[in-house]
Amino acid sequence: GNSVTQMEGPVTLSEEAFLTINCTYTATGYPSLFWYVQYPGEGLQLLLKATKADDKGSNKGFEATYRKETTSFHLEKGSVQVSDSAVYFCALTGNQGGKLIFGQGTELSVKP
Amino acid sequence: DAMVIQNPRYQVTQFGKPVTLSCSQTLNHNVMYWYQQKSSQAPKLLFHYYDKDFNNEADTPDNFQSRRPNTSFCFLDIRSPGLGDAAMYLCATSRDLTSGSSYEQYFGPGTRLTVT
Repeated sequence: GNSVTQMEGPVTLSEEAFLTINCTYTATGYPSLFWYVQYPGEGLQLLLKATKADDKGSNKGFEATYRKETTSFHLEKGSVQVSDSAVYFCALTGNQGGKLIFGQGTELSVKP
Repeated sequence: DAMVIQNPRYQVTQFGKPVTLSCSQTLNHNVMYWYQQKSSQAPKLLFHYYDKDFNNEADTPDNFQSRRPNTSFCFLDIRSPGLGDAAMYLCATSRDLTSGSSYEQYFGPGTRLTVT
């Protein structure tokens, strides 16, 4: 079945550091890929998405590229801020649509 | 702004006392979902409605029920809450479930349920 694996957290960075959160997936066909962010005490917000191979999703300085050859969708940001502290979830939907499959989430803590 | 609204944001109920959580949306989406989330774990899908068609996940306990009286509203009923049901409950919507297309789920802010 479809699955998503994220790097384990928590990840602690200093402000302005470079961020990478690894995400790999297992799926048949061509899934759509998403990154969601959850700030403390809040629901999930869609951060970015990519629907086909080599697509790059970007938003708020975050980027992720759909890599079919490595089945990956790593999240990157060049310079993190304290306000980026949150839990980040990688997710996919299969090419049949349907259920959103989440990774286990990665907690990011950014220190001033 | 179009959005997904959940009320209340915080709910306290007693062990065994029925409780209802509410979700409304102004997006006019066909699909509404209920998730349970514990301690920053990934959300766990309980069930969803596609229009008026109810779809239960195989491992959702019978204690959890849902109603969707119209397009805009969806309710989660917990018939006899146990201590293990304390969690964040998230409502989400999506336009459709079309095969082969991407769909985005839009989440509400969640209701944190405490069971005493």
